[in-house]
Amino acid sequence: KQEVTQIPAALSVPEGENLVLNCSFTDSAIYNLQWFRQDPGKGLTSLLLIQSSQREQTSGRLNASLDKSSGRSTLYIAASQPGDSATYLCAVSRDTGRRALTFGSGTRLQVQP
Amino acid sequence: DGGITQSPKYLFRKEGQNVTLSCEQNLNHDAMYWYRQDPGQGLRLIYYSQIVNDFQKGDIAEGYSVSREKKESFPLTVTSAQKNPTAFYLCASSSKTAANTEAFFGQGTRLTVV
Repeated sequence: KQEVTQIPAALSVPEGENLVLNCSFTDSAIYNLQWFRQDPGKGLTSLLLIQSSQREQTSGRLNASLDKSSGRSTLYIAASQPGDSATYLCAVSRDTGRRALTFGSGTRLQVQP
Repeated sequence: DGGITQSPKYLFRKEGQNVTLSCEQNLNHDAMYWYRQDPGQGLRLIYYSQIVNDFQKGDIAEGYSVSREKKESFPLTVTSAQKNPTAFYLCASSSKTAANTEAFFGQGTRLTVV
């Protein structure tokens, strides 16, 4: 059974800092990996999708990498801003059968002005 | 605007009552999903459907039921058999094509037992 772990569970940084969020998964037979942002009481907003054949994806100040063989992904946020404060969730889907996502518990990020 | 609409935003259930959560999408996606989120936890899969008139149990299906009569709609019923239904419920959809399997989520329904 796939298990997804996110470290750290919570992170507080001053504005302007570069930061890295970590995600690990136990079964490397994945179809894709997706990073989401969740604001309190809201739904999930997709940030980046990495197909299993890809190594990284970039969108603005965000960069996500994938090392499928070691079961790891990182989300790099450059020049953090208070508006980046949210919970960041990592999720993976299987490469066969059920394609539904398996989620980590998230990293709660607070960027101090 | 294309997207996923969940309603209602807040829902209150009395003991022994069935309630139905609505999920509609206009993204022309084949696959739809229901997840449950409890405080401080990740999302857990309740049910999913990859095609009209077909659906499969997820990891925590007990006490829930679904239907998929139309491509754009995937309602979730929380039955009286679900003993701890208070949670945040999220609906999602995705395409089945290999080119783009990105999942999109609705804004959620917060269900509270009173």
